[in-house]
Amino acid sequence: DGGITQSPKYLFRKEGQNVTLSCEQNLNHDAMYWYRQDPGQGLRLIYYSQIVNDFQKGDIAEGYSVSREKKESFPLTVTSAQKNPTAFYLCASTYSGLAGVYNEQFFGPGTRLTVL
Amino acid sequence: GENVEQHPSTLSVQEGDSAVIKCTYSDSASNYFPWYKQELGKGPQLIIDIRSNVGEKKDQRIAVTLNKTAKHFSLHITETQPEDSAVYFCAAIFNTDKLIFGTGTRLQVFP
Repeated sequence: DGGITQSPKYLFRKEGQNVTLSCEQNLNHDAMYWYRQDPGQGLRLIYYSQIVNDFQKGDIAEGYSVSREKKESFPLTVTSAQKNPTAFYLCASTYSGLAGVYNEQFFGPGTRLTVL
Repeated sequence: GENVEQHPSTLSVQEGDSAVIKCTYSDSASNYFPWYKQELGKGPQLIIDIRSNVGEKKDQRIAVTLNKTAKHFSLHITETQPEDSAVYFCAAIFNTDKLIFGTGTRLQVFP
């Protein structure tokens, strides 16, 4: 049963603490993405990785960090430097096929992070 | 810059009526335009997509049209049903590796 899993579904953290969100996929996809979703603002790209051991900043990378040590895994760390971390975080992946041909992004179920 | 605008932000229709959501994009080089449906508390799911080499694509009650000259594309849902109620996002590909999303349309279908 292939897909993308994110854990935990709900996460609470105290202000000033770092927290890591998990994202795992067994679709054999090359590229993985992290988005942040706030009410009324759609999805904004935080970081993305097109290959193992390589990743690029998206539009709102400040206060976040990622790693891509394995093809299946792309964890996101929300650091204490992120000013307003409370949001719904979505992980996605896609198959990188022919150059210039874009394929469907598959999304995980999301993690709702609340900073207390 | 990279931008996708989506309208309307909310849309209410009677069951059986049609719904239309419109998006415009800024990069004339964009060549892939997906539409996602997101139900409450879940991740978005692709419902239909279109590439720049076609002007229209249909899948049962859902259709997407693309006007490359005007840089806009639209989602059409016919014979709406209560289970169509959700938030819908359009998106466009930029620089062949980033999807930029619209701000979403909350569709409510009343029985």
